[in-house]
Amino acid sequence: ETGVTQSPTHLIKTRGQQVTLRCSSQSGHNTVSWYQQALGQGPQFIFQYYREEENGRGNFPPRFSGLQFPNYSSELNVNALELDDSALYLCASRENSGRAPNEQFFGPGTRLTVL
Amino acid sequence: GQQVMQIPQYQHVQEGEDFTTYCNSSTTLSNIQWYKQRPGGHPVFLIQLVKSGEVKKQKRLTFQFGEAKKNSSLHITATQTTDVGTYFCAGLPGGYQKVTFGTGTKLQVIP
Repeated sequence: ETGVTQSPTHLIKTRGQQVTLRCSSQSGHNTVSWYQQALGQGPQFIFQYYREEENGRGNFPPRFSGLQFPNYSSELNVNALELDDSALYLCASRENSGRAPNEQFFGPGTRLTVL
Repeated sequence: GQQVMQIPQYQHVQEGEDFTTYCNSSTTLSNIQWYKQRPGGHPVFLIQLVKSGEVKKQKRLTFQFGEAKKNSSLHITATQTTDVGTYFCAGLPGGYQKVTFGTGTKLQVIP
């Protein structure tokens, strides 16, 4: 196991609703990234948080937002859910040592279904 | 924006045969990483390549980074049933600020 946990495991929502997904990073890791993985696709980078600040973002609309807390755990919030938001949401944590990018550890993911 | 393509999309091999997946980026990369995702699982980091022309080996797995830092390959020698899964490359143009995963190659090993 990677030491990265996510909750909930599964979630069913309806169009237009809002959802919050949670991630607890591995001990000592100060950087968390979130990814969306649709069925049969590769993970798509949503954003990254380092020391409670967003410092990288993929091609996702503003209704995808996040937070990182002082203990480095993180939340992903999605407003106005759409059917295409149905996917596996993965978070990954790593230790940002300031040197070359290093290994990131993925959590088991949250499977979101939007009806 | 940056695109990272992988070929083939699917590969079925007899156990003991070799397997190769190729990764091509539309832009020059700073680093490239490789991940393995088992069915129903999450991506697991395999390796990171940084230098132009770099070759790294992990037991039966050989990873290569192209001279132009726009392509990479993963070669598995004498596949085993435990190698089953989808292999993704992930391109880092200049750090983790915008990681782009490839389309993946799904490997099936026939015993």
